[in-house]
Amino acid sequence: DQQVKQNSPSLSVQEGRISILNCDYTNSMFDYFLWYKKYPAEGPTFLISISSIKDKNEDGRFTVFLNKSAKHLSLHIVPSQPGDSAVYFCAASARGGNTPLVFGKGTRLSVIA
Amino acid sequence: DTGVSQDPRHKITKRGQNVTFRCDPISEHNRLYWYRQTLGQGPEFLTYFQNEAQLEKSRLLSDRFSAERPKGSFSTLEIQRTEQGDSAMYLCASSNRQGAFSGNTIYFGEGSWLTVV
Repeated sequence: DQQVKQNSPSLSVQEGRISILNCDYTNSMFDYFLWYKKYPAEGPTFLISISSIKDKNEDGRFTVFLNKSAKHLSLHIVPSQPGDSAVYFCAASARGGNTPLVFGKGTRLSVIA
Repeated sequence: DTGVSQDPRHKITKRGQNVTFRCDPISEHNRLYWYRQTLGQGPEFLTYFQNEAQLEKSRLLSDRFSAERPKGSFSTLEIQRTEQGDSAMYLCASSNRQGAFSGNTIYFGEGSWLTVV
């Protein structure tokens, strides 16, 4: 049973526009969420995180939104750049981030120039 | 600041052979994790350590898999009697867990690719 779901395997966006990547979770114990970016043949790179006590966190072009009642989070990238093309993974943890991360299957983002 | 280092980056082995991967975490990180990733999937948790204590190992895929972190610094992941289904990327990650509700960002290495032929 997948506890973290990324239902869109792929997304294409034009350069300069907004990219919105979505993630849903089923485990109500999750209270810490992270997004990672992964290029082929490399390990995942941490992008941004959010604790369940917040509903939004921003870092430069990246913003993560958390809707606890819907068990949904999203990553917004504005403006999108060709270098953002990668696979994005949503991950979740419980007990204030104390449990190992559970990952979704990823969404492949392609930013078209 | 050096990141998480994994060795070897690529390993091709014959079915039935044993393989060992090494991970050097970010210095002073007290937690070290092993994950596995196969094509089209997200990283799958295997085991983790806090200092030298292995806190969770029930997710190791079979008794052919074992991990150690003898002095609380580097770690090894061993797969005995490899099978073709073991072919995957093995990822090591580390974090510096400070306390409850402080968040826990984990940082990954480049991964070790295993191909079993």
